[in-house]
Amino acid sequence: DAMVIQNPRYQVTQFGKPVTLSCSQTLNHNVMYWYQQKSSQAPKLLFHYYDKDFNNEADTPDNFQSRRPNTSFCFLDIRSPGLGDAAMYLCATSRDGRGSYEQYFGPGTRLTVT
Amino acid sequence: GIQVEQSPPDLILQEGANSTLRCNFSDSVNNLQWFHQNPWGQLINLFYIPSGTKQNGRLSATTVATERYSLLYISSSQTTDSGVYFCAVERVGYGNKLVFGAGTILRVKS
Repeated sequence: DAMVIQNPRYQVTQFGKPVTLSCSQTLNHNVMYWYQQKSSQAPKLLFHYYDKDFNNEADTPDNFQSRRPNTSFCFLDIRSPGLGDAAMYLCATSRDGRGSYEQYFGPGTRLTVT
Repeated sequence: GIQVEQSPPDLILQEGANSTLRCNFSDSVNNLQWFHQNPWGQLINLFYIPSGTKQNGRLSATTVATERYSLLYISSSQTTDSGVYFCAVERVGYGNKLVFGAGTILRVKS
């Protein structure tokens, strides 16, 4: 089945220790997104890639970076995690972003910062 | 930015009951999706419905784009329907960005 895969599902990191979350997709979609969802809140878009074109949200902290080495993979790097970065991180994909297409989400990575 | 309001915020149902969840939005949209977030945190796509009516088993949804609202109907609810239901919209002219409502927490009791 075509799908969006996130690894790991649970990640524990120490305060200030860089961490990388990964997302892969077998849907061959052009657009990939990263959302942050804190406890009891709605998901919030951090940034997205349209092919290799990176689009950052204005209020995404500089601490958050992303890489997309190819169509299938996208990474979220948190350079110096703080306690406030503990959250569920959701990756999503959609077809050609110039239109409007359904987004499909992965299972998420739950990040704990100690 | 666009405002997305969901109601009710919380809902408790007895198994077998029906319910209607509402999503109001403040501007024209290209895309509207309903999701169910399960207890493990995964967002399950229920409907992609920028306008019109769709049905999938016990669930159906209607979006009236001209009046800026969408409804999600759950019939004959089951305990597995419990979780959080999110409405998310993509505002016209602001492509590729889903803005989520705060969600409706549904608890179905057996």
